[in-house]
Amino acid sequence: DVKVTQSSRYLVKRTGEKVFLECVQDMDHENMFWYRQDPGLGLRLIYFSYDVKMKEKGDIPEGYSVSREKKERFSLILESASTNQTSMYLCASRPGNRGLREYGYTFGSGTRLTVV
Amino acid sequence: SQQGEEDPQALSIQEGENATMNCSYKTSINNLQWYRQNSGRGLVHLILIRSNEREKHSGRLRVTLDTSKKSSSLLITASRAADTASYFCATDVMIKAAGNKLTFGGGTRVLVKP
Repeated sequence: DVKVTQSSRYLVKRTGEKVFLECVQDMDHENMFWYRQDPGLGLRLIYFSYDVKMKEKGDIPEGYSVSREKKERFSLILESASTNQTSMYLCASRPGNRGLREYGYTFGSGTRLTVV
Repeated sequence: SQQGEEDPQALSIQEGENATMNCSYKTSINNLQWYRQNSGRGLVHLILIRSNEREKHSGRLRVTLDTSKKSSSLLITASRAADTASYFCATDVMIKAAGNKLTFGGGTRVLVKP
């Protein structure tokens, strides 16, 4: 089974800190994604990456950046954490497009981040 | 932005009953997917239906897709207490040749009472 591992289940950080959320997948997937999930707002896409060193802005990229130096790892960076970034963060991966095949996405268990 | 809107937002049923939830979306899609999320956990992929398919089955799950109405439904038959979870529809759209983007609806919370 494909596994997507997020390094922390719960995280508490202070306002202004630089925060790194790590995500690793073990199935050689090209595409990786970061979402945040908030009550009443659902899941919103922050950033995604189609391959190593590639990145694309999602729907809510402000206040975040990403890094994809290796294919298996996709890091989400909160440059200066703020209380409105308190949320559940979910990482996902899928294979890159190959012909006409279509794929489901595999999600990690999530990191619940609290910024105080 | 939410591509899909789900209805109802919450559903409470007895074990053994069927649960039906609906999803509407706004733009053209490559496929539509349904996911389950147990409380506070990650999402689990349930089923994918391509834009040229109308119905798909997987175990106790039945999904329909009507691209003319931009809507989909998920039916869970003979529900069990373990089916208690939130269910999300998500539309998958090719952004570049290299990959797609998945956009979620707001979800339906399903409670199956023993």
